[in-house]
Amino acid sequence: DVKVTQSSRYLVKRTGEKVFLECVQDMDHENMFWYRQDPGLGLRLIYFSYDVKMKEKGDIPEGYSVSREKKERFSLILESASTNQTSMYLCASDRGSTINQPQHFGDGTRLSIL
Amino acid sequence: SQQGEEDPQALSIQEGENATMNCSYKTSINNLQWYRQNSGRGLVHLILIRSNEREKHSGRLRVTLDTSKKSSSLLITASRAADTASYFCATDRGPGGYNKLIFGAGTRLAVHP
Repeated sequence: DVKVTQSSRYLVKRTGEKVFLECVQDMDHENMFWYRQDPGLGLRLIYFSYDVKMKEKGDIPEGYSVSREKKERFSLILESASTNQTSMYLCASDRGSTINQPQHFGDGTRLSIL
Repeated sequence: SQQGEEDPQALSIQEGENATMNCSYKTSINNLQWYRQNSGRGLVHLILIRSNEREKHSGRLRVTLDTSKKSSSLLITASRAADTASYFCATDRGPGGYNKLIFGAGTRLAVHP
C-alpha cells in the first residue's frame, strides 16, 4: 500500500514565523500535492509538483512556497505565518503518467497560528 | 475555484438504510472521483469513474455519472455505523491539467446504530 507521511499531526506556531510542513511518500510517485482544508470549502490546491525541482502554483499559492529536492519529499513553506493560515494541511501523491489516477493522502497537519 | 458541489451537505440515516450523495460540476471532465474522510484523518480514494462510463460498482458502493447533466451520485447500500464520514467528489481539470483535482465541500454522513 502507498504510504504518505506528514511529519506532524498538530503544530502551533506564532505569527511571522517561517513554518515548514514535510511530506514523504514511499511509492516513487511522480506527482505530489499540497492542499488546505477549511470547513465548508473542501480542499483547495496550494501547490503541485510533477517532478523533482518542478512545481506549479495551485489555486491559492499566496503566502506559500514549496520545495522538492528529492522525489519522495515535498515540503510546504509558510514564509511568514499569519493567523489566516490556520487550517488543516493535506499532502497527496499519485504516480502520474496519466490523468486518471487516484491520489493518496497523508493524515494531515492541523496547523494553528497564534 | 470550486467545481464539484455535493448535495446534501449533511445526511443522517439508520444502519441498514441506503445513503445517496450527489455531486454536480461545471466543466467537461476526463474523470470523477469519490473520496472518504474519517474525522481528523486524510482522504481515502473510493472509486474513479471515467467520462465514458455511466456506472461503476465497488462492494457496497455504486457510482453513476451523467455527463449531459454534469452530475454524479454515490450510493452506499446497507450502511453501517463505520460508514460515518465525510464524502467528497473531485474532478480533473481537463486536458493539460495533469491530475490536479478540484474538490467539492463534501457531504457529512452520520449512520446511527
